[in-house]
Amino acid sequence: AQSVTQPDIHITVSEGASLELRCNYSYGATPYLFWYVQSPGQGLQLLLKYFSGDTLVQGIKGFEAEFKRSQSSFNLRKPSVHWSDAAEYFCAVGDRYNNNDMRFGAGTRLTVKP
Amino acid sequence: DTAVSQTPKYLVTQMGNDKSIKCEQNLGHDTMYWYKQDSKKFLKIMFSYNNKELIINETVPNRFSPKSPDKAHLNLHINSLELGDSAVYFCASSQAFGSGANVLTFGAGSRLTVL
Repeated sequence: AQSVTQPDIHITVSEGASLELRCNYSYGATPYLFWYVQSPGQGLQLLLKYFSGDTLVQGIKGFEAEFKRSQSSFNLRKPSVHWSDAAEYFCAVGDRYNNNDMRFGAGTRLTVKP
Repeated sequence: DTAVSQTPKYLVTQMGNDKSIKCEQNLGHDTMYWYKQDSKKFLKIMFSYNNKELIINETVPNRFSPKSPDKAHLNLHINSLELGDSAVYFCASSQAFGSGANVLTFGAGSRLTVL
């Protein structure tokens, strides 16, 4: 089965600085990849997804992510962070061939300093 | 207009009690799910369900049971609550079934505290 690792439990960046959140996956083929964001007290919201094609995908709120097969990674980036981006970010991987079991990483908590 | 709504948002109860969490989606999706998020924010699927098939994560105790009166509702019933059941439970839905490409729409969560 697929699995996801988010190496950073907590990241702090200054407002206006760039951001990169790391995600590594384990899967035997090209996976379906997702980034979700969870604001405090809220459910998860889809930021972006990768299924196939262009390996650089654009999402909502100015986020982008790049699929790198050679590194089994799908890192999330944003050029300039806003205070409202403070939240928990989850990378997830879906099985291309079967099942409804989307595997989530443990999440990375983002704190934004003024 | 909330797409996936759960009630209650907070639930505090004693060990041994039976409780239910309700979920409704107005997206016309075919599939609904229950996820459990533990104190370390780790998300794990409990059930996925459409009108034809229920898939249960084998690690879920049989004290947990999903009940679906119709396609738009998937309630979670928990018997004989234990301390370890304390968590945030998320309901979600997706348009498709049986595909790893499912995009999930989540509810806001129900925080269950068992004393």
